[in-house]
Amino acid sequence: QQQVKQSPQSLIVQKGGISIINCAYENTAFDYFPWYQQFPGKGPALLIAIRPDVSEKKEGRFTISFNKSAKQFSLHIMDSQPGDSATYFCAAKARSFGNEKLTFGTGTRLTIIP
Amino acid sequence: NAGVTQTPKFQVLKTGQSMTLQCAQDMNHEYMSWYRQDPGMGLRLIHYSVGAGITDQGEVPNGYNVSRSTTEDFPLRLLSAAPSQTSVYFCASSPLRTRTYEQYFGPGTRLTVT
Repeated sequence: QQQVKQSPQSLIVQKGGISIINCAYENTAFDYFPWYQQFPGKGPALLIAIRPDVSEKKEGRFTISFNKSAKQFSLHIMDSQPGDSATYFCAAKARSFGNEKLTFGTGTRLTIIP
Repeated sequence: NAGVTQTPKFQVLKTGQSMTLQCAQDMNHEYMSWYRQDPGMGLRLIHYSVGAGITDQGEVPNGYNVSRSTTEDFPLRLLSAAPSQTSVYFCASSPLRTRTYEQYFGPGTRLTVT
């Protein structure tokens, strides 16, 4: 049972374009939604995260949009660059004191072409 | 700080063999976890620990054992390797009771079971 559904599985975007990756969840106990970025041969690393009390969070060219009523959130990469080519995972964490368990989506392989 | 380290980087096992994947962190993080990454499946939690002496099962624990005798180390044992355990394994750690919940991942161990 996939608790966090991620799409698309792969994405090709031209340099300078906007990359958009979407995630949806069912568990209303989730209260923290991070995105992780993974380069080939490396472990994932935290990129940006949001809590459901805000609808948008922006850090540089990366923005998370959050729709609590639809239980969806998405990652937008503005002015996409070849260096953004990586696999992106959305994730969710349930409201639970002292427990850091993350549930990950299935990942999106992003390729930025010149 | 070395962060999260994993050994070995690569391993080939025959069906039925046992082995231990090592994970260590030098950030004094209470929470440590093991994930496996398979194409199209994302990152799936195998086992996790919230402190020395405390471990619990994740989403896919069968065939794996863990122990946590110190804060720094969290080894993953494969009891009798099966081809279905061919995967890339990541160890991660994070502090507890913070607002960032960032998990720090190691570089991974690529395991092939023949």
